[in-house]
Amino acid sequence: GGIITQTPKFLIGQEGQKLTLKCQQNFNHDTMYWYRQDSGKGLRLIYYSITENDLQKGDLSEGYDASREKKSSFSLTVTSAQKNEMAVFLCASSQGKNTLYFGAGTRLSVL
Amino acid sequence: QQKVQQSPESLSVPEGGMASFNCTSSDRNFQYFWWYRQHSGEGPKALMSIFSDGDKKEGRFTAHLNKASLHVSLHIRDSQPSDSALYFCAATRNNNNRIFFGDGTQLVVKP
Repeated sequence: GGIITQTPKFLIGQEGQKLTLKCQQNFNHDTMYWYRQDSGKGLRLIYYSITENDLQKGDLSEGYDASREKKSSFSLTVTSAQKNEMAVFLCASSQGKNTLYFGAGTRLSVL
Repeated sequence: QQKVQQSPESLSVPEGGMASFNCTSSDRNFQYFWWYRQHSGEGPKALMSIFSDGDKKEGRFTAHLNKASLHVSLHIRDSQPSDSALYFCAATRNNNNRIFFGDGTQLVVKP
């Protein structure tokens, strides 16, 4: 079996700071995703990538950048952290239209 | 407009009872459906996929799909306290890898 590893698990930032979240998968999946989840609510798609160097915008891409450096890794950058922002960022991968496998998340707090 | 709508928002059932979740899509091109479950502090995990009309049973879990009415449901019989979690419906079209999630139903199973 494979695993999705997200780093860091917890991230505390300052208002206006640029913050980078990383995700690695060893499933050898083609597609990777970044979702944002607020207070145990629904999942909102930020970016996804169907192959290395590909990038597709989701519904919440404003304020974020992403990079698919290689097949196994997908990083997300918060371009300017907003004061009092709190959310969980979830990375996932899948092979085509098959089941998504999620990481445990990065929990962001902005002071 | 939310493409996948879930109901109810929250649900409380006694241990040993039946929990039922509903999901309706607004897009007739959706062909593939999943149910995911997320325990507190974890990433979502896939419970079941259903791609054909009718029922699909896996242990205590039964999913039902009716593509004509764009409706999919999940039923958990003999609910256990460990089933307490956030349940998501997800759907995708035939022609791309974008997966749409509902906002989730919070289940509490009371001992």
